[in-house]
Amino acid sequence: SQQGEEDPQALSIQEGENATMNCSYKTSINNLQWYRQNSGRGLVHLILIRSNEREKHSGRLRVTLDTSKKSSSLLITASRAADTASYFCATDAPTGTASKLTFGTGTRLQVTL
Amino acid sequence: DTEVTQTPKHLVMGMTNKKSLKCEQHMGHRAMYWYKQKAKKPPELMFVYSYEKLSINESVPSRFSPECPNSSLLNLHLHALQPEDSALYLCASSQGRLERHGYTFGSGTRLTVV
Repeated sequence: SQQGEEDPQALSIQEGENATMNCSYKTSINNLQWYRQNSGRGLVHLILIRSNEREKHSGRLRVTLDTSKKSSSLLITASRAADTASYFCATDAPTGTASKLTFGTGTRLQVTL
Repeated sequence: DTEVTQTPKHLVMGMTNKKSLKCEQHMGHRAMYWYKQKAKKPPELMFVYSYEKLSINESVPSRFSPECPNSSLLNLHLHALQPEDSALYLCASSQGRLERHGYTFGSGTRLTVV
């Protein structure tokens, strides 16, 4: 079952602009992660933010987490054509014996020249 | 080695065939996962192995049978599949509980059932 909803479902911007994607989830989490997927192949881990963190940066990526609202956002600054991909948030929920990562619905980002 | 390797990359099989998907990692990760992804949908968890033991089965039909021969290998045995089982099958690994670095995914096996 899906844990999170993402919006927008699709986003089209020009190179150099910023892209913001939002994620909402339903249950308590250990951490929230963001992944990128190109052309339906493997997912690439971008960034992980723990439940006790509110903001995290990695290069051109900025992630925020609001556990009271059960929501997160991913900001990609100064976007490039190579950023064109699908982006998924994923929540890591406590299961007792193992980590269990559940993905949101995803945002398809198109960056044009 | 920081990769998860999946073979084959593509597989076409008939509904009466038996085939296996393979996944391998040498990062010392103690948890391994199978996900199924349909087109334009998010990955859906199928199985979780933790320390070589099956710890989560997300009510997957018995025509999918996972196996973890050792801490580096994960197989998914397929038998009597249906056309609706056609999808991208993704393997992943992670350190286990108290994740700090996220999962490492393989590039997937694109399965077509005819």
